[in-house]
Formats: sequence, structure tokens, C-alpha cells
Amino acid sequence: QQQVKQSPQSLIVQKGGISIINCAYENTAFDYFPWYQQFPGKGPALLIAIRPDVSEKKEGRFTISFNKSAKQFSLHIMDSQPGDSATYFCAARAGGSYIPTFGRGTSLIVHP
Amino acid sequence: DVKVTQSSRYLVKRTGEKVFLECVQDMDHENMFWYRQDPGLGLRLIYFSYDVKMKEKGDIPEGYSVSREKKERFSLILESASTNQTSMYLCASSRGTTYNSPLHFGNGTRLTVT
Repeated sequence: QQQVKQSPQSLIVQKGGISIINCAYENTAFDYFPWYQQFPGKGPALLIAIRPDVSEKKEGRFTISFNKSAKQFSLHIMDSQPGDSATYFCAARAGGSYIPTFGRGTSLIVHP
Repeated sequence: DVKVTQSSRYLVKRTGEKVFLECVQDMDHENMFWYRQDPGLGLRLIYFSYDVKMKEKGDIPEGYSVSREKKERFSLILESASTNQTSMYLCASSRGTTYNSPLHFGNGTRLTVT
């Protein structure tokens, strides 16, 4: 079964809009939640990450919101740009483990 | 900057062939991983290694084996390639078990088995 459920599978947004990708998990041992960004022809790369002791983390136009009680976290991309078009993966990792569990990915297309 | 290099960008092999996918990292990372990426299925872990000569099965190890004779190199082996192993293969590395150690991925090898 999927330990990290990611939605939507694909997302189309107009330039300047807000892109929102959601993830949910069941394993309460997860304590580190990174997001990876993958451009076509490239491997995924770490975009931003959050620990469960904070509810929000912002880096530029990218924000992670974290709801520990609901076991959900989401990525918000403000003022989305065509250059943000990529596949985004959420992930979760349990303390002491070096293996993240990935969501299935969201293909984001930002139209100019 | 960490660099993970996969030896082939594209590979075409025939059913039944033995296939080697090579990966080298240059940052002295302890951990190395092999994933396959398929549309709609995301990143699925095949094998990982936390030290030289050490390996652990991931979620989908069937039909694959790995070799790690040197710290910087991690090889994925398809003993007898089959068409259902046509996929994008991604290698990654990370440093130990420190809290904020991200995975660093190579750019992938797209394998086609005919």
C-alpha cells in the first residue's frame, strides 16, 4: 500500500497562479518531509523540506504547510512561472532511517 | 557540488541479455540507492547500500542484483533482461543518517528492452 499518498497526479496552472500539491501519510514515525523537483531529462533534486515541529516553512515562492494532527502536508507555489513546470515528489522519512518513502509524483504545467 | 554520474543516458538491450547499469558519486557518501521511475508509479526503490559490500533489498528487487565493491560506485545488474524492465533507472546517494541529508540523484538511464 502507499505509505505516502500524493495528489493530484497532474496539475495545470496559469502563470501567476498558485499551485498546490497535497500529500498524506499514515506512519507516525515519519519525522522529516522533503519535497523533490524533477525537470525533464534530469534527476529529482531537493527543493524544500520540513520537520514536524513547525507548521510552515517558506523559501522564496515555495511554502510547505504541515498539519501533524491530520498527517498531511502540502507544497504551495506562489506566483507560478513556466519555469516551475516539472514533476514534484513529496517524501517522508522516519527518524534514524536514510530511506525516504516517496509519493507518486505530480506533473505540474504552468502555462504562460 | 555533489555529482552522481550514471554511465549511460540511453540503453537498448534484447530480452535475456545481462545488463549492467553503473553509477559513480564523488562526495564520499555512505549510502547509495537504485530506483526505477515509471509514469504514475513514482520512484520505486530497487536496492540500497549503506556501506561497501553491504546491500539491502528495496520494494521491487525481483529480477535485479547490485554490486558495491568501492564506496563511490554502485552497479545495478539485470541478470536476464525482460521487457517489463523497460524503464527509467535513477541512482542516488546520501550522507549517512544525519537528519538533513538529502538524496542526490543522477540524471537517469533510460533502458529499453526489446
